Amino acid sequence: DIQMTQSPSSLSASVGDRVTITCRASQSISNYLNWYQQKPGKAPKLLIYAASSLQSGVPSRFSGSGSGTDFTLTISGLQPEDFATYYCQQSYSTPLTFGGGTRVEIK
Amino acid sequence: QVQLQESGPGLVKPSQTLSLTCTVSGGSLSSTYYYWSWIRQPPGKGLEWIGYISYSGSTYYNPSLESRITISVDTSENQFSLKLSSVTAADTAVYYCANLSPSYSDNSGFSDYYYMDVWGKGTTVTVSS
Repeated sequence: DIQMTQSPSSLSASVGDRVTITCRASQSISNYLNWYQQKPGKAPKLLIYAASSLQSGVPSRFSGSGSGTDFTLTISGLQPEDFATYYCQQSYSTPLTFGGGTRVEIK
Repeated sequence: QVQLQESGPGLVKPSQTLSLTCTVSGGSLSSTYYYWSWIRQPPGKGLEWIGYISYSGSTYYNPSLESRITISVDTSENQFSLKLSSVTAADTAVYYCANLSPSYSDNSGFSDYYYMDVWGKGTTVTVSS
């Protein structure tokens, strides 16, 4: 199985901040990497697919980059509705695997 | 617009079989290139992908659960189901169904970049006597 490791596991930030979350794969996954946002009591929501493609309807302050084993999700100008937990997920091979999540909290 | 809705018992006794159904509306389970997945999330923890059934009826199960899982489809009802046998407290979780879809562009058609873009709301299953 491909292991996905996210860092940090949590962070505190203020509205307007630029936030970067990192995801590392245990082997190269090219750019088969998706990012999801999950709010408490809700299902995950797809933000980014293929490492850097923005899902339709997702604000442009979200961006993704990376290839191979190292990936980042950046939120440029954190908004109140962005406080949530973020997960990366590889779609390179089965079983599909998720990172452990990064909780973004209000400072 | 495809929508998914999970249903099933919220309480299952240890050693019994957990059975859940996902009803698909606004789309067909037979749509080419789509895979219908189950994912779970234990309380306070991260996401675990359980497995899928494809548009053609083939299945893939997470090896960590493979010996206990069955995913099946009922095209007449536009539903797919999860059965997890010999449950323990460790199987207590919110269970989600989701549509594993390929990205599409007008220029290139369907790609091999897959993502879960449609999710059910989730159903909580507690394993307890």
